[in-house]
Amino acid sequence: DVKVTQSSRYLVKRTGEKVFLECVQDMDHENMFWYRQDPGLGLRLIYFSYDVKMKEKGDIPEGYSVSREKKERFSLILESASTNQTSMYLCASSRAHSPLHFGNGTRLTVT
Amino acid sequence: QKEVEQDPGPLSVPEGAIVSLNCTYSNSAFQYFMWYRQYSRKGPELLMYTYSSGNKEDGRFTAQVDKSSKYISLFIRDSQPSDSATYLCAISETSYDKVIFGPGTSLSVIP
Repeated sequence: DVKVTQSSRYLVKRTGEKVFLECVQDMDHENMFWYRQDPGLGLRLIYFSYDVKMKEKGDIPEGYSVSREKKERFSLILESASTNQTSMYLCASSRAHSPLHFGNGTRLTVT
Repeated sequence: QKEVEQDPGPLSVPEGAIVSLNCTYSNSAFQYFMWYRQYSRKGPELLMYTYSSGNKEDGRFTAQVDKSSKYISLFIRDSQPSDSATYLCAISETSYDKVIFGPGTSLSVIP
């Protein structure tokens, strides 16, 4: 079974803090993705990566950056957290052109 | 008009009922269709995926695509309390990994 592991289930951070969300997958998948999920808005794509050191902007990249130094690890970075970034963050991975496998999410609260 | 629309529910049915969950979409170029199930405080898990039109069956679940109406459905037969979750449709023009998600329908199956 594919396992996508997100390092934290819950995080509480203060406005202006730099926040790192970590994701690791164990199936040698080429692709990795970061989404945020908000009530009524569904899942929205923040960034994705098709290979090590590659990154592409998704639909809502503003306020976020990513890092993929190793194939199995994809990090989402909030340079200066704001209250409107309070959300559920979901990491996913996939083989090329195959369906996504998700982690269990990190619920981030920014106060 | 949103690209993918889904009735958010909540939908409440008695155990054993047949459940119909639906999504409509606006872009006739969409060809890849998926259904994900998301339990509370968990990440989405892939239920079924289909390419182009037609039906696909897996146990109690049937996915149906009507491209002429731009309408997709997920039917659950003999619904169980363990089916209580949020169901997300996901569609794509190009592949199973570059997808747009619907906002999800919340389903409760009452024993």
